[in-house]
Amino acid sequence: QKEVEQDPGPLSVPEGAIVSLNCTYSNSAFQYFMWYRQYSRKGPELLMYTYSSGNKEDGRFTAQVDKSSKYISLFIRDSQPSDSATYLCAMSGNPTRDFNKFYFGSGTKLNVKP
Amino acid sequence: DAGITQSPRYKITETGRQVTLMCHQTWSHSYMFWYRQDLGHGLRLIYYSAAADITDKGEVPDGYVVSRSKTENFPLTLESATRSQTSVYFCASSLQGARGNTIYFGEGSWLTVV
Repeated sequence: QKEVEQDPGPLSVPEGAIVSLNCTYSNSAFQYFMWYRQYSRKGPELLMYTYSSGNKEDGRFTAQVDKSSKYISLFIRDSQPSDSATYLCAMSGNPTRDFNKFYFGSGTKLNVKP
Repeated sequence: DAGITQSPRYKITETGRQVTLMCHQTWSHSYMFWYRQDLGHGLRLIYYSAAADITDKGEVPDGYVVSRSKTENFPLTLESATRSQTSVYFCASSLQGARGNTIYFGEGSWLTVV
């Protein structure tokens, strides 16, 4: 079983839709949760960073962490064609081991149609 | 703010040749990482470094060599390139590593081994 599971998509939505991207994980020790956006032929770019449980909002983006369910989400409001990219979740912070390791989902490809 | 720069961005080489991918960061981050990204596998850690002169293996280190004589540089060498090493390689850095800090990526180096 992978440490982090993410639906690869592709997910296709019309412009203006609310997008929900999700990851599940198996290691309850994770404390730091990140979302990255990766455009074609570019490196992953940090979008959101959350510590422990709760919500964090930044403009049209909201990150949610539910540690009890081992589930994290990224919501994109009023989606735009420029949001078309692959979105990767990542997590880290196991206090007992693997201090060097970040665990990544395989990415969900999002296409926002004009 | 230069961040992380990788060179070359694109490289075609022949089987058996030695190839070095360069990585330079301007943030004075302690941790640096090399990942490869392949369809179906996501991001896989090759090597990482916690500080100058300290390196350690990741998930897929075979066939690769790294060094870190200066904090800002972390070159990755393929000693004798094989076709299975055709991939996109990302260098990344982090201030404190996975214990409470995010990770930032370079733009990637696309390597084709023929």
